[in-house]
Amino acid sequence: NAGVMQNPRHLVRRRGQEARLRCSPMKGHSHVYWYRQLPEEGLKFMVYLQKENIIDESGMPKERFSAEFPKEGPSILRIQQVVRGDSAAYFCASSPIWGSKNIQYFGAGTRLSVL
Amino acid sequence: AQKVTQAQTEISVVEKEDVTLDCVYETRDTTYYLFWYKQPPSGELVFLIRRNSFDEQNEISGRYSWNFQKSTSSFNFTITASQVVDSAVYFCALSFDRGSTLGRLYFGRGTQLTVWP
Repeated sequence: NAGVMQNPRHLVRRRGQEARLRCSPMKGHSHVYWYRQLPEEGLKFMVYLQKENIIDESGMPKERFSAEFPKEGPSILRIQQVVRGDSAAYFCASSPIWGSKNIQYFGAGTRLSVL
Repeated sequence: AQKVTQAQTEISVVEKEDVTLDCVYETRDTTYYLFWYKQPPSGELVFLIRRNSFDEQNEISGRYSWNFQKSTSSFNFTITASQVVDSAVYFCALSFDRGSTLGRLYFGRGTQLTVWP
């Protein structure tokens, strides 16, 4: 039973390029969350998605960042025109149903480095 | 505002020592959930425990135990007879059933635990 799969594990981009981070939730899970971990800090919520719907994107910067979770395929977090401050670890988590009591299972993260 | 504080940034112990990781939270909600996650050096986050606000029973799982006290808004985590494999960053987190923040986890900054052989 595969866990949450994130790829790539490491991503290097130059300033101004685009970064695409992919997340495949656990089998049977239809809820996906993205979090960002800056150095020496805890994880900060970015966005919560269900299949084909963005439920809560209030933690995501309004410019350059977007997320989707299509009917088929993985969830994608897209960062356009990356800047050095975007360097961080980006984690995806999934849960089977809605509700704050539900356990979120995390992937191994994507470490983005912006040169 | 919701907030989780892990005041201990780093803790070092020698193998077989007991160690307690502190977590203090702030909320005005009566219904909420508390979690602990472990982040080993490999980087993934591993779920350890979930506790809801109406269940103050302490829990023990092998060498791990958790002490939830609403009176002090604390949810502390104790590892008994620590082992080198326990070395990791441990995060405490909080979530609510309130509509606007449904599903969101609020994390503390984490405690880096190093267990020396």
